[in-house]
Amino acid sequence: DVKVTQSSRYLVKRTGEKVFLECVQDMDHENMFWYRQDPGLGLRLIYFSYDVKMKEKGDIPEGYSVSREKKERFSLILESASTNQTSMYLCASSLGTDNLYSNQPQHFGDGTRLSIL
Amino acid sequence: RKEVEQDPGPFNVPEGATVAFNCTYSNSASQSFFWYRQDCRKEPKLLMSVYSSGNEDGRFTAQLNRASQYISLLIRDSKLSDSATYLCVVNIYYTGGFKTIFGAGTRLFVKA
Repeated sequence: DVKVTQSSRYLVKRTGEKVFLECVQDMDHENMFWYRQDPGLGLRLIYFSYDVKMKEKGDIPEGYSVSREKKERFSLILESASTNQTSMYLCASSLGTDNLYSNQPQHFGDGTRLSIL
Repeated sequence: RKEVEQDPGPFNVPEGATVAFNCTYSNSASQSFFWYRQDCRKEPKLLMSVYSSGNEDGRFTAQLNRASQYISLLIRDSKLSDSATYLCVVNIYYTGGFKTIFGAGTRLFVKA
């Protein structure tokens, strides 16, 4: 079974702090993703990565950055946390990058509920 | 128009009922399809992939209609534990790769 582990289930931070959310997967997946999920808005893609040191902006990258120094680890960074970044953050991974792998689903971590005060 | 659209519901059904969800997609380059289940305050979990010929997993049946560009999920003999939000997911080809689009989800409440 694929295992995607997020470092924290619940996190409370203050406005202006730099926040790090960590995600690790154990299945040697090429692709890793960061989403946020808010009531009524569904899942929104922040950033994704298809290889070590590679990153691509998703639909809502503003206020965030990412780091992928090792294949199994993908970090999301809130450079200066703001209250509108209070949300559920979900990390996911999937196998393969080209069309041959398009039938591979994404697997999610448990999520991190982040509150910015 | 959203690339993937679902009826948000909620669907309220009694135990034992049969319930069906539809999901429409707008991009004809869509090639792979999935249904996920998400419980309240939990992460989405893969329920099943959707194959061209349709597929069944116990009480769950998924269908794909490429001509009309929709997929469906049928749940037979609903259980209380089926209460959740069901997400329709589509992988869309583009040159060099593909992207994944999640629907907003359909909420299901199964009542005793």
